Amino acid sequence: DGGITQSPKYLFRKEGQNVTLSCEQNLNHDAMYWYRQDPGQGLRLIYYSQIVNDFQKGDIAEGYSVSREKKESFPLTVTSAQKNPTAFYLCASSLSKADTQYFGPGTRLTVL
Amino acid sequence: AQKITQTQPGMFVQEKEAVTLDCTYDTSDPSYGLFWYKQPSSGEMIFLIYQGSYDQQNATEGRYSLNFQKARKSANLVISASQLGDSAMYFCAMREGWTGTYKYIFGTGTRLKVLA
Repeated sequence: DGGITQSPKYLFRKEGQNVTLSCEQNLNHDAMYWYRQDPGQGLRLIYYSQIVNDFQKGDIAEGYSVSREKKESFPLTVTSAQKNPTAFYLCASSLSKADTQYFGPGTRLTVL
Repeated sequence: AQKITQTQPGMFVQEKEAVTLDCTYDTSDPSYGLFWYKQPSSGEMIFLIYQGSYDQQNATEGRYSLNFQKARKSANLVISASQLGDSAMYFCAMREGWTGTYKYIFGTGTRLKVLA
């Protein structure tokens, strides 16, 4: 089955720790995205990658880092510099940057 | 300024009736796209329907249709014959093309509750 997988579904982190969220797709999509969703709000773009080995900051990139070493994978690291990391994180991909984005199931991160 | 506005935080609809979810947008880009996504309580965002700014006809996908009024800058989602499974959050999004990045801008969503 083709799709986008995110792991883990739930993640708990202590303050001061870095944590990495996984996003994998087997749709052969070139573009991948990371969004953050807070309660009562829409999605905000953290980082995006339109092709392997290239990525750009979105609207709220501070405190986050990404890599795109493989077409299928776009992991997001939430660093200790992110002041308020508790949120729901959604990964998406699209065939190209101009195509419809499809989303994974999300990871809910809670900082204790 | 808000580029995507969804003015209805919550809506109720009786099962089997139709419901309209409002979305207005603001852009100066002549080439843009409008999207609707459904987010059930599980959290996944499910793509429902797309309308391009140059499309002459309103988009339809099964029970979903998009009432596109370009002059009014509105892109309302119409769900016909509501089902209990339609209860979810619904997000309107816009994609602008003129910056070359094709980033999506999301509204704050409307929570729909279908009543039996």
